[in-house]
Amino acid sequence: AQTVTQSQPEMSVQEAETVTLSCTYDTSESDYYLFWYKQPPSRQMILVIRQEAYKQQNATENRFSVNFQKAAKSFSLKISDSQLGDAAMYFCAYSGGGADGLTFGKGTHLIIQP
Amino acid sequence: EAGVAQSPRYKIIEKRQSVAFWCNPISGHATLYWYQQILGQGPKLLIQFQNNGVVDDSQLPKDRFSAERLKGVDSTLKIQPAKLEDSAVYLCASSLGPQVELFFGEGSRLTVL
Repeated sequence: AQTVTQSQPEMSVQEAETVTLSCTYDTSESDYYLFWYKQPPSRQMILVIRQEAYKQQNATENRFSVNFQKAAKSFSLKISDSQLGDAAMYFCAYSGGGADGLTFGKGTHLIIQP
Repeated sequence: EAGVAQSPRYKIIEKRQSVAFWCNPISGHATLYWYQQILGQGPKLLIQFQNNGVVDDSQLPKDRFSAERLKGVDSTLKIQPAKLEDSAVYLCASSLGPQVELFFGEGSRLTVL
């Protein structure tokens, strides 16, 4: 079974600074998809960024980018110019190449210091 | 466009009672998921539907949990009888298919006393 590990239960960053959230995963598949989801307090989870494993180029979405290291099975999220609205739980998630649902990590609580 | 609707938002029951949660996915989304999120943990997939067929229910405790998707649209998740460890937020999500973006509802928070 696939597993997703987020080793940072909590991270804190100053507003306008850059922060990197770590994620590693375990799989024997070669074709899969990786995601970062954001869950603000008392609000629904939303997609931040998605990466296809067959793509070597790292995905970017405005201030959010990933560092995808397929051989190392690592998928970190970098948030540049952190804003107060970025405060939330961030979940790394994996989906296999079939019709699989998402397997989530335990999450990282991101605190933005004004 | 309307998002994923879930009800009730909150439910408190005694152990051994039953409870049902309802989900209305985004129109046109063929895939529907139910996740269980225990406090301090990531969501765990309970069941995945493709239209009205079950794709994966390997982590659904079938002795007490059941789910159905009526006519490939709305879905209900039932717990009977509830245990203390079922206290969690039950998240419904829908998508156009696998491997693409999931859209989540606000969740139904269950407390079992």
